[in-house]
This record gives sequence, C-alpha cells and structure tokens, in this order.
Amino acid sequence: SQQGEEDPQALSIQEGENATMNCSYKTSINNLQWYRQNSGRGLVHLILIRSNEREKHSGRLRVTLDTSKKSSSLLITASRAADTASYFCATGGGYGGSQGNLIFGKGTKLSVKP
Amino acid sequence: DAEITQSPRHKITETGRQVTLACHQTWNQNNMFWYRQDLGHGLRLIHYSYGVQDTNKGEVSDGYSVSRSNTEDLPLTLESAASSQTSVYFCASSETRPGRRDNEQFFGPGTRLTVL
Repeated sequence: SQQGEEDPQALSIQEGENATMNCSYKTSINNLQWYRQNSGRGLVHLILIRSNEREKHSGRLRVTLDTSKKSSSLLITASRAADTASYFCATGGGYGGSQGNLIFGKGTKLSVKP
Repeated sequence: DAEITQSPRHKITETGRQVTLACHQTWNQNNMFWYRQDLGHGLRLIHYSYGVQDTNKGEVSDGYSVSRSNTEDLPLTLESAASSQTSVYFCASSETRPGRRDNEQFFGPGTRLTVL
C-alpha cells in the first residue's frame, strides 16, 4: 500500500525550465524524503525534510512540506538534461516498524529535453 | 569507499527453483531492506532487518525469506520461484541514530530477476 502518491506521473520539459513534482500522503509523518532513480539504477537520496520544517533547499532543489494538507513538492530549477530520471517521495514510519522504514510512492518520470 | 552491492545483477531462472539474491553493505549500518520494483507499483517492501538475527516481514513477503547472520549481509531467498516474482529487486541500508528519526536509505544497483 503506497503512502505517497506523486503527481504528475510523467513530466516533459525543456532544458532551462523549472520542474515541479508533488507528493501527497495519508498519515502523520516524521519526515518526508525525495529520491531520484536514473534508468536501470538504484535510488539516490536527494533531500529530507522533517515534519517541523516547511521549506528546504539543496542546490537547485527546493522542497516544501505542508503537513496540514499532507503534501510536499519538489522543485528543480533551471533543469538540465542530466535531471532526466524518475523521482520518488518517501515517508518515514512505514510498514510494520518505526525504525527507519519508508513507504515509497510510484514516482514521477521527468524528461528534460535539450 | 563504503558501498552497498548486489549480486547477481541479472538472473534468469525457472519456475520452482530456489534463488538467492545477495546484498552486502560496508557501512556497518544496522538497518537493511529488500524491495521489489514493478511497473505501476513503485517500490514495495519485502523484508527488513534492524540488526543481526532480526528479520521482519514487509508488505509483500509471501514466497520470500531473509536471514541476518552478520551486519553486512542480508540475502533474499525465493524458496520456489514463480513467474509473478519476475521483477527488479533492490537492497537498501540505513542507520538509526540515537535521538533522531532521520532514516535516509542507501540503495544497491538492483538485481533484475526473470522467472520463466
């Protein structure tokens, strides 16, 4: 059962444009994380935002969290072709345990055209 | 450099055979996880372990088993492979820090398993 649901499922933009992906979740969380997956590779952690934070930046990434709406957004500014990948949100305190389990959404597939 | 590795990277097997997928991490992290990734389902948790001799079932554990005899390894065994277990399998690890609930996971490169 997925906790996070990303929106849109797929996004195609031109290089230099900004890309925004959204994630909605159902239950209370300790933190929310975003991961990137390049085709045929494992997931790579991008950024973590805690439940008491509203916004966080890391390079060209900006993440917001609205716990009242149970939603988060990931903004990639000035996108590059190398940003082409699938992006997943994941929420902590997942299935069964509480010690580090994550529940992943189905992902947004981002395509950045040169 | 510390890393997490999976082997084999690709495996083709037949229905009914036992298959073991290896996962090895050199970070000495106490938490380890196995996921499967299928189109339309994202990542689903199969089994997880919080330390040596600890194993727990995840969301889709039927037909799978794991054992944790040391910190570095969490092998995943398919007791009797079925075509429905054709998937890409990812292993991950994370650390539990006292007083904190940050749980960034580090992923291996994946194993693509085909069951014919």
